[in-house]
Amino acid sequence: EAQVTQNPRYLITVTGKKLTVTCSQNMNHEYMSWYRQDPGLGLRQIYYSMNVEVTDKGDVPEGYKVSRKEKRNFPLILESPSPNQTSLYFCASSFQLDYSSPLHFGNGTRLTVT
Amino acid sequence: AQSVTQLGSHVSVSEGALVLLRCNYSSSVPPYLFWYVQYPNQGLQLLLKYTTGATLVKGINGFEAEFKKSETSFHLTKPSAHMSDAAEYFCAVRTGANSKLTFGKGITLSVRP
Repeated sequence: EAQVTQNPRYLITVTGKKLTVTCSQNMNHEYMSWYRQDPGLGLRQIYYSMNVEVTDKGDVPEGYKVSRKEKRNFPLILESPSPNQTSLYFCASSFQLDYSSPLHFGNGTRLTVT
Repeated sequence: AQSVTQLGSHVSVSEGALVLLRCNYSSSVPPYLFWYVQYPNQGLQLLLKYTTGATLVKGINGFEAEFKKSETSFHLTKPSAHMSDAAEYFCAVRTGANSKLTFGKGITLSVRP
């Protein structure tokens, strides 16, 4: 089944403790992206990647890191989480060359930083 | 720059009533437009999209949307609401190969029995 898989679904952590949210897709998509969803703000893009070893900042990159060493994986790293990073996070992917191609989303990771 | 406006944050309709969710976009070039739906505790999934050609686009679950260039709108409609339509709906725009997908803030649809 074609899908984007994020782990974990729920995560509670403390301020400053490094964490990684994993994202994997099995559709051979070139493009992958991370979003955060907050009430009243919709989805805001954190980072995106056009292909392996190519990443770029989105609208709200501060406090986050990403890497794209393999085509299928695009982990999101919070090296020193803070309470304002408490949010619902989504990974998404699509074919890059076809810009009418819709994004495929994972089921989300709800992160709470205390 | 591209942008999307979804006025209001919540719409409530009775079961069987017409659903109308509004979306206006801003773009200096012909846009690609999308509607996504998010059910509780799930990621977003594509409802429908407009790329080129026919301006009335049909999607899944009986939804459709009409691209109106003169009004810069892409409103989502469904003739008869069902309880299972209760969800959050996002309009999004993309304007080219290297442009990102820009989302509106989303609208929550409630359906009353």
